[in-house]
Amino acid sequence: ETGVTQTPRHLVMGMTNKKSLKCEQHLGHNAMYWYKQSAKKPLELMFVYSLEERVENNSVPSRFSPECPNSSHLFLHLHTLQPEDSALYLCASSQNRPGTDTQYFGPGTRLTVL
Amino acid sequence: GQQLNQSPQSMFIQEGEDVSMNCTSSSIFNTWLWYKQDPGEGPVLLIALYKAGELTSNGRLTAQFGITRKDSFLNISASIPSDVGIYFCAGLDQGAQKLVFGQGTRLTINP
Repeated sequence: ETGVTQTPRHLVMGMTNKKSLKCEQHLGHNAMYWYKQSAKKPLELMFVYSLEERVENNSVPSRFSPECPNSSHLFLHLHTLQPEDSALYLCASSQNRPGTDTQYFGPGTRLTVL
Repeated sequence: GQQLNQSPQSMFIQEGEDVSMNCTSSSIFNTWLWYKQDPGEGPVLLIALYKAGELTSNGRLTAQFGITRKDSFLNISASIPSDVGIYFCAGLDQGAQKLVFGQGTRLTINP
């Protein structure tokens, strides 16, 4: 248990569906992150939030839409995804500003887009 | 952007053997982290290194922060079956405010 939980753990969706991934951290951290992990590729940083404000968006397609309502919760809203978006989506959090502190990861959501 | 070269990409060893893997970078990091990822799970932090030259142990794991701040290694002694997984190094780039990951080392252990 790292103190970061993600739901659902597995998700299968069609290309026309709309779904959301949820992340919750119980560590009192101020920064949260979304990463994408595809087979045989390094972890790709998607979004960074610090104190509920988005501080980085790494050229992610608009079919991925993040939301951070408070410092403990982070969502990733998905719509009209493509099969190549199938991957493990990982949430992480860190104590302070991005780049200054160790990140702790959740277990991930395994997403399959049909 | 910054890249980390992690090697080897995969290792096949016998139970009880020692393991060594490393990461190198063309630029300097202020913090090196080592994570382990089991299938279907997120990476779990093993060791964090904050000072050049630092040598830190966590049970059978030992990691060092290279003196040049451009490399780090991880050693596992007397491997056991539960050591199987993918090990990632990561460098904390404070200037760019991001964590840069290596490609991972997949460890397989034959009993």
